[in-house]
Amino acid sequence: GAVVSQHPSRVICKSGTSVKIECRSLDFQATTMFWYRQFPKQSLMLMATSNEGSKATYEQGVEKDKFLINHASLTLSTLTVTSAHPEDSSFYICSAIDSRGNEQYFGPGTRLTVT
Amino acid sequence: AQSVTQPDIHITVSEGASLELRCNYSYGATPYLFWYVQSPGQGLQLLLKYFSGDTLVQGIKGFEAEFKRSQSSFNLRKPSVHWSDAAEYFCAVGSGNAGNMLTFGGGTRLMVKP
Repeated sequence: GAVVSQHPSRVICKSGTSVKIECRSLDFQATTMFWYRQFPKQSLMLMATSNEGSKATYEQGVEKDKFLINHASLTLSTLTVTSAHPEDSSFYICSAIDSRGNEQYFGPGTRLTVT
Repeated sequence: AQSVTQPDIHITVSEGASLELRCNYSYGATPYLFWYVQSPGQGLQLLLKYFSGDTLVQGIKGFEAEFKRSQSSFNLRKPSVHWSDAAEYFCAVGSGNAGNMLTFGGGTRLMVKP
């Protein structure tokens, strides 16, 4: 089946710094990728939709200047959390849709801890 | 806007017992409905999905779900639970192109007693 990877799996950063999370589709091309945020013991909340070669579409309440998304190729999307604060600590999950658009494949997630 | 409710936060069943996880949705049109399972260290895995047609949907790992429009429900069932089924289960409703814009329920954590 289709595989989506995320790197890093865990990251700890200091408050005020920026951190980049990569999402890769390993064996298929993904014109659309999604970024979700999952708080402990809670559900996934869609943050933004990332389309290759165009600007991301952010969900209401998500700060686009804080959560920078770049989808520069058909296999890679990145999420950069800028000027991170402890309240940004969360589990970030990406997903990718194959070219047929029939199914959404999820990455294993990245645990971000801001100290 | 669509929403999904999973009334049970935790469920514990004995191995070999049957399982039903509840899911209720709110959506203005015919919904795209999904069940995913999340295990530690792994990405969400699709168990099954409903787009149209037969309201009883068969999925992987012996799971099935039934779409009941009159009850706005899409409950997940398995006749005999295995210890490896212990995980977090999410119901989702999809909108947009091919139902890919997902709204997830709060999840149900399944624990399996030996």
